[in-house]
Amino acid sequence: EAGVAQSPRYKIIEKRQSVAFWCNPISGHATLYWYQQILGQGPKLLIQFQNNGVVDDSQLPKDRFSAERLKGVDSTLKIQPAKLEDSAVYLCASSGRGGSYNEQFFGPGTRLTVL
Amino acid sequence: EDQVTQSPEALRLQEGESSSLNCSYTVSGLRGLFWYRQDPGKGPEFLFTLYSAGEEKEKERLKATLTKKESFLHITAPKPEDSATYLCAVRAASGTYKYIFGTGTRLKVLA
Repeated sequence: EAGVAQSPRYKIIEKRQSVAFWCNPISGHATLYWYQQILGQGPKLLIQFQNNGVVDDSQLPKDRFSAERLKGVDSTLKIQPAKLEDSAVYLCASSGRGGSYNEQFFGPGTRLTVL
Repeated sequence: EDQVTQSPEALRLQEGESSSLNCSYTVSGLRGLFWYRQDPGKGPEFLFTLYSAGEEKEKERLKATLTKKESFLHITAPKPEDSATYLCAVRAASGTYKYIFGTGTRLKVLA
């Protein structure tokens, strides 16, 4: 079974520039999550989708971050404009039905550096 | 406020020296406690889910236990390949059942 795919793996941008990250979850997983992990910290949930609807985006800085999940499969996370404090690893995770419903499977992450 | 605290922040063990990692939590209704392993430059890898006090799960040298206030990850006779950051997360019943992660314990096992 293929895992969660993310791209790019690394991105370096100047502050005030825009950036987008892509995630392809495990096939059949209805729930998709985007997390921000700052160095030395645990992942912080930014947004959770159930199919293509938003379940929780309470911690998403909506003035600069946006996310979408068209057709309930792939998702993109965008930052516009980026700030220095956005430097972090952005993790995508997905979870499915049945016994794995509560278990999240993570992708490798995208490491963003804002200069 | 729902909260997860992990201790210690870092731990160095000699190969074969058993120890335990702690995850203390405060949540309004637990819908699962999760342990993950994270290697440098990678995403967290799922290890265990625990749902109720008294529950235990084992996998190779790892054993996770759960009480009403905390969880322990016991590592028996660790090997250098067990070196990683171990993350604890809880799923709370409040709001949208979101996952809340601790800051992790960085484990280093020396040969």
